[in-house]
Amino acid sequence: EVQLVESGGGLVQPGRSLRLSCAVSGFTFDDYALHWVRQAPGKGLEWVSGISWNSGMIGYADSVKGRFTISRDNAKKSLYLEMNSLRTEDTALYFCAKDISLTLDGFEMWGQGTMVTVSS
Amino acid sequence: SYELTQPPSVSVSPGQTAKITCSGDALPKQYAYWYQQKPGQAPVMVIYKDNERPSGIPERFSGSSSGTTVTLTISRVQAEDEADYYCQSADSSDTYKVFGGGTKLTVL
Repeated sequence: EVQLVESGGGLVQPGRSLRLSCAVSGFTFDDYALHWVRQAPGKGLEWVSGISWNSGMIGYADSVKGRFTISRDNAKKSLYLEMNSLRTEDTALYFCAKDISLTLDGFEMWGQGTMVTVSS
Repeated sequence: SYELTQPPSVSVSPGQTAKITCSGDALPKQYAYWYQQKPGQAPVMVIYKDNERPSGIPERFSGSSSGTTVTLTISRVQAEDEADYYCQSADSSDTYKVFGGGTKLTVL
């Protein structure tokens, strides 16, 4: 069974940093790209960032470029999102998602999400 | 920035057919994907690469593409299909992944 389990969310002040993790099981980790997608309370889905199977392709939404860094550790079967200079508008449920392929395409499987609240 | 446009809401009676559209200039060049999200749950992929159905998704769900518009069709709609539906694709240079604003499907 494919499982993606996010962790690391919480309450943080504006301007501070947070690191999200996603632990994966149930499939060959380094055969697939991975993504972070977020959903602000009561709002729609927003793609945040994606990383290909070998970290050779990485993309970011304009809203987080320069502040967030995605990475993966294929040995530990884990995906990460380093979030710096957090803003109140970054408040959202952050989902980890498995791609359908090696490169950046669509989101085949999703975790349950970890909540990030940016507030003073 | 690139945008995908969906109707905010669609209503249909049980047993009828629901069609949800998604428009975007790059759709002739980029594949479209569709996701179903029920309240309090993570999204579920129901269509990939315009018209392919993942395993476990009922045959009632289908996708089609014509020019700058893609369509999710749900045949013989059931109460359990009531959910938010999102289309997703990429900009023409495949730099960004983009979601439509979402369509709330109401089963009357």
